[in-house]
Amino acid sequence: KAGVTQTPRYLIKTRGQQVTLSCSPISGHRSVSWYQQTPGQGLQFLFEYFSETQRNKGNFPGRFSGRQFSNSRSEMNVSTLELGDSALYLCASSSGYPSGANVLTFGAGSRLTVL
Amino acid sequence: DQQVKQNSPSLSVQEGRISILNCDYTNSMFDYFLWYKKYPAEGPTFLISISSIKDKNEDGRFTVFLNKSAKHLSLHIVPSQPGDSAVYFCAASDKRSNFGNEKLTFGTGTRLTIIP
Repeated sequence: KAGVTQTPRYLIKTRGQQVTLSCSPISGHRSVSWYQQTPGQGLQFLFEYFSETQRNKGNFPGRFSGRQFSNSRSEMNVSTLELGDSALYLCASSSGYPSGANVLTFGAGSRLTVL
Repeated sequence: DQQVKQNSPSLSVQEGRISILNCDYTNSMFDYFLWYKKYPAEGPTFLISISSIKDKNEDGRFTVFLNKSAKHLSLHIVPSQPGDSAVYFCAASDKRSNFGNEKLTFGTGTRLTIIP
């Protein structure tokens, strides 16, 4: 089956602009999580959506937001971009059910460069 | 506050030998641990996991060991192959405070290079 698809793969923005990233999960997966990867910081959890509701949230400022649609596709938005927002943004999907250990399947990421 | 630490940014191992990647954690609430592998221009892919009720889990060439008293886990790859060259991330979760394991705390990664 198709994997996790993220668009766009690469984008360049300037400070103060906003950006929207999109993620299509694996068919049947209802949970979508977002992570930010920067050099030296590893992957840091942004938020997770399950059935259109934000279920978990990391320690990022309110400029970072997301949503999930009824078809489980998700978008994340970063407003008022700062240089430090330059990173690889990774989306991951899973079944999301709390019955056991859910393995996250990651997309290839969207690399954002802020100038 | 780095709750999951991978203190070796890089590791080089001869092909056929054992690769040992280490990971330490500080949060005693973590009860599930995973290793992910990442190739350039690709997303991380799941490798192996272990629950805190176990101290060892094996899957083919990959074995993860968990030492809860030391808050330490390690990934052993034997024998190492050139295709194992990648960045390896250790991750942990606290299932009691989350639904499932979607909220993972990752280490900063170790770049493993297998020398032919």
